[in-house]
Amino acid sequence: DTEVTQTPKHLVMGMTNKKSLKCEQHMGHRAMYWYKQKAKKPPELMFVYSYEKLSINESVPSRFSPECPNSSLLNLHLHALQPEDSALYLCASSQILAGEGNTQYFGPGTRLTVL
Amino acid sequence: RKEVEQDPGPFNVPEGATVAFNCTYSNSASQSFFWYRQDCRKEPKLLMSVYSSGNEDGRFTAQLNRASQYISLLIRDSKLSDSATYLCVVSGGSQGNLIFGKGTKLSVKP
Repeated sequence: DTEVTQTPKHLVMGMTNKKSLKCEQHMGHRAMYWYKQKAKKPPELMFVYSYEKLSINESVPSRFSPECPNSSLLNLHLHALQPEDSALYLCASSQILAGEGNTQYFGPGTRLTVL
Repeated sequence: RKEVEQDPGPFNVPEGATVAFNCTYSNSASQSFFWYRQDCRKEPKLLMSVYSSGNEDGRFTAQLNRASQYISLLIRDSKLSDSATYLCVVSGGSQGNLIFGKGTKLSVKP
């Protein structure tokens, strides 16, 4: 089973709203990732968690706030977003962060529209 | 030089054709290599990992040349369902983050 689930599938929010994206995996993976993907572009890494600790923050604006409550869950809290933040937000997980076993498996994504 | 470079295509081929995609990467310390497939408005799905010895999965063959920093994917007997964007992906460094190529779009026509 290589399933990563994400909720919601679609989200429309205003610039003053606060919302959260959720990601879950039950594969025992200890590394989890958030990516942002705009149309016709490859995914861009936002955050990496390894053993529930933030490992990489790719200079993401503070209006995006990640949280890893436990080894199976990853959240992305959104606040005061801009229309240019509209994109597909992908969660991924891998057994470990680097080396053998770092094959990443992606969730179906949340398609976010900011009005 | 970009970190991972791919021909963006599109590659328009008839059913049954053989098609080859190429990819180069700049970081000689890269450790893991992958091909992902992404359908329109869907998530990337792992197609295959790529090893120096080469690997084959049915109609798909991947090759890695570390000396030339070059990765390839060969698709034989193309099917309509192979139409997608193929992403060359390289992992490297202690942080294990993936570096994506921009993808090569394949369109298989009847």
